[in-house]
Amino acid sequence: QKEVEQNSGPLSVPEGAIASLNCTYSDRGSQSFFWYRQYSGKSPELIMFIYSNGDKEDGRFTAQLNKASQYVSLLIRDSQPSDSATYLCAVIGSGTYKYIFGTGTRLKVLA
Amino acid sequence: GAGVSQTPSNKVTEKGKYVELRCDPISGHTALYWYRQSLGQGPEFLIYFQGTGAADDSGLPNDRFFAVRPEGSVSTLKIQRTERGDSAVYLCASSRGDRRGFSNEQFFGPGTRLTVL
Repeated sequence: QKEVEQNSGPLSVPEGAIASLNCTYSDRGSQSFFWYRQYSGKSPELIMFIYSNGDKEDGRFTAQLNKASQYVSLLIRDSQPSDSATYLCAVIGSGTYKYIFGTGTRLKVLA
Repeated sequence: GAGVSQTPSNKVTEKGKYVELRCDPISGHTALYWYRQSLGQGPEFLIYFQGTGAADDSGLPNDRFFAVRPEGSVSTLKIQRTERGDSAVYLCASSRGDRRGFSNEQFFGPGTRLTVL
């Protein structure tokens, strides 16, 4: 079992729809969770971080964390073609400073 | 500059050669990370520095890989006897490193694309 798992996609949504991206992790003691966006040929850039159970909203983005079920998700409201990218989930495991990344989910927003 | 810089941006080498990849973090950032990213994969952790010391080098794949950060700023990733399987984009990231995890935002450099022929 991979430490951080994501569906590789592509996930295709129409412009204006809600895109839902999911991530599960294996280390139950993980404390911090991050969503990065990576455009083709570019470096990852941080969208959001979350460390408490529940929802965290920032503009069109909402991160959701459920530690009991060991999953974290990212919702993108009013999806735009410019949101088309690969979304990477990253987790810091217990007792470590090491970020473990998933393989990423490729999102396509269709105009 | 304000961001993380990496040099060279591209490196083509022959199998068996030695290469050095450089990372210049954001000024004042004490934490520095090296990652390797292959096509279609997420970044793979290699090593983490806090200041001058390697706090976690558990991701280095074998003893051909070594990294240093002698003055707590610039870091160099060194790969000996390169193999074709070492071909990837090598990413460096830095963060303030003053609080573990919470808002410990990493800023990534543009990466070095290494091709081993």
